[in-house]
Amino acid sequence: SAVISQKPSRDICQRGTSLTIQCQVDSQVTMMFWYRQQPGQSLTLIATANQGSEATYESGFVIDKFPISRPNLTFSTLTVSNMSPEDSSIYLCSGSETEAFFGQGTRLTVV
Amino acid sequence: RKEVEQDPGPFNVPEGATVAFNCTYSNSASQSFFWYRQDCRKEPKLLMSVYSSGNEDGRFTAQLNRASQYISLLIRDSKLSDSATYLCVVLTDSWGKLQFGAGTQVVVTP
Repeated sequence: SAVISQKPSRDICQRGTSLTIQCQVDSQVTMMFWYRQQPGQSLTLIATANQGSEATYESGFVIDKFPISRPNLTFSTLTVSNMSPEDSSIYLCSGSETEAFFGQGTRLTVV
Repeated sequence: RKEVEQDPGPFNVPEGATVAFNCTYSNSASQSFFWYRQDCRKEPKLLMSVYSSGNEDGRFTAQLNRASQYISLLIRDSKLSDSATYLCVVLTDSWGKLQFGAGTQVVVTP
């Protein structure tokens, strides 16, 4: 399957600031997704990143808080805006063709 | 009710033993099913897809029961390296949207 390079792998950020996470895929993929995984919890889908159009957000997630870019079929970014300690989590990007494959995750701590 | 439910475990398994666990899903229109493995502080990685007829990959056997809406994973001859969290994953639509279970933790002990 394809390989996704995700960065940063971890960060500690001050509340009120924003962090942009990047995912680069080594091949073109139609679908890309962004997930959040709280400690001991399952993956929760934040949004589907659509190439050439706005992302599609799941219930409980909004564009102002989690703006997403998908400029082409190999790249996507997720920004966590105006962060609070509740945003501390692991954020994962995923690509999907015949199977889903994941970036290595970004471990975010907001202090 | 969660769309995908799993027993969180942990399942403590002696090395060499067999362990099996299930996952139930609520959407009867779900199309595809997978088991992913997630090691601590790592991203999930595909272990195996689950086919209607059941399928086997080495020591791992997956079964799908559409009538009762569950899938299962059986691990034979457990190795210490099998210790991980096993995520049940269901493809719910043709756009590739996946629903994840919370994971079943397996701990293989010497």
